[in-house]
Amino acid sequence: DSGVTQTPKHLITATGQRVTLRCSPRSGDLSVYWYQQSLDQGLQFLIQYYNGEERAKGNILERFSAQQFPDLHSELNLSSLELGDSALYFCASSASYGLAYNEQFFGPGTRLTVL
Amino acid sequence: LAKTTQPISMDSYEGQEVNITCSHNNIATNDYITWYQQFPSQGPRFIIQGYKTKVTNEVASLFIPADRKSSTLSLPRVSLSDTAVYYCLVGDGDSNYQLIWGAGTKLIIKP
Repeated sequence: DSGVTQTPKHLITATGQRVTLRCSPRSGDLSVYWYQQSLDQGLQFLIQYYNGEERAKGNILERFSAQQFPDLHSELNLSSLELGDSALYFCASSASYGLAYNEQFFGPGTRLTVL
Repeated sequence: LAKTTQPISMDSYEGQEVNITCSHNNIATNDYITWYQQFPSQGPRFIIQGYKTKVTNEVASLFIPADRKSSTLSLPRVSLSDTAVYYCLVGDGDSNYQLIWGAGTKLIIKP
């Protein structure tokens, strides 16, 4: 158990809909990362927040948005969903914002299926 | 934009040493190179991190040459449970800050 929690575990929805994925970081961690992993694909970094502020942006679509709240939990909002958005979405947390001595701890993921 | 390159897959046998190399042509000067392991339907898990030369922990070693344009993860005496996907992660020297993950190497260990 990494200490990172994600809800829901599974989500099935239809094209055009909007969903919200939630992540609670490990206690004390200030950074939250979001990743997308399509079937049998590698990890695609979406976005990172550090202590409530956006820190780094990866290949995140304009239909997707995220935020980190004062209690440090984070939400990833996916709108106008398409079939290709079906994937496993991971949240990770770390103590700081760089890469040095800043191990990321991953949650169990949310499996999104768009029908 | 920096790019990382890893072999797509590798096979080995129990008890052997396995070396997986990641090429990264333009990592950030101050950034570290990190390797993660991922089992199916699980989130990746940290293995090892280094900046230059050699780093060793209880599960792996990491070799980084002086030019830092590549790194090699070494797994000693692998077992069946080491079958997983291995990712390298580096910073991006071109932009202010980026997380560049390799595409992953699927390692299959045979009995």
